[in-house]
Amino acid sequence: QVQLVQSGAEVKKPGASVKVSCKASGYTFTSYDINWVRQATGQGLEWMGWMNPNSGDTGYVQKFQGRVTMTRDTSTSTAYMELSSLRSEETAVYYCARGELGTGSAFDIWGQGTMVTVSS
Amino acid sequence: DIQMTQSPSSLSASVGDRVTITCRASQSISSYLNWYQQKPGKAPKLLIYAASNLQSGVPSRFSGSGSGTDFTLTISSLQPEDFATYYCQQSYSSRAFGQGTKVEIK
Repeated sequence: QVQLVQSGAEVKKPGASVKVSCKASGYTFTSYDINWVRQATGQGLEWMGWMNPNSGDTGYVQKFQGRVTMTRDTSTSTAYMELSSLRSEETAVYYCARGELGTGSAFDIWGQGTMVTVSS
Repeated sequence: DIQMTQSPSSLSASVGDRVTITCRASQSISSYLNWYQQKPGKAPKLLIYAASNLQSGVPSRFSGSGSGTDFTLTISSLQPEDFATYYCQQSYSSRAFGQGTKVEIK
């Protein structure tokens, strides 16, 4: 079946980086965008940006510019999101989500989420 | 950036009630509006896309309407499994979410 499976929970110190993976299966990886969304405990959903796995093109929310990098490995149908200079307030669940290529699409398939804890 | 505002932030309702949640965009987004349901500890689930299109497998008691800046999600007869948090999302320019509406048991 169509699914996105994310890597396991991470604990990082402030100032460190984290890299979360998202492995796609059951569909053609390069035919859909991969988006990243995060959610702090008890808070709402925050979209971080998108990546086109076919071209490698990316688009990041301005607040994350310079700290986030979205990449992919088409040979393993895996997308990655790396966030650097982590702060304690960035403790959250990070989700990947599939969307149709281009503008206007909703996120129809989501990963299970990866808990990232930032603590000294 | 386009801002999305949901109302109410929370509501209490009983099984069988008709529930309406509103989402307003800070500028026109045509029909580029999606609705998601999220239960505690779970990833969000797509309910409605492009304002009024029911995602495959979603019960028909869920419906969406609106265009431009004002949108509505309606649950015609609330079921026990519908108690959750609901988010709107615009997909006209980037993908901003509303702040969420928590539907609780009265």
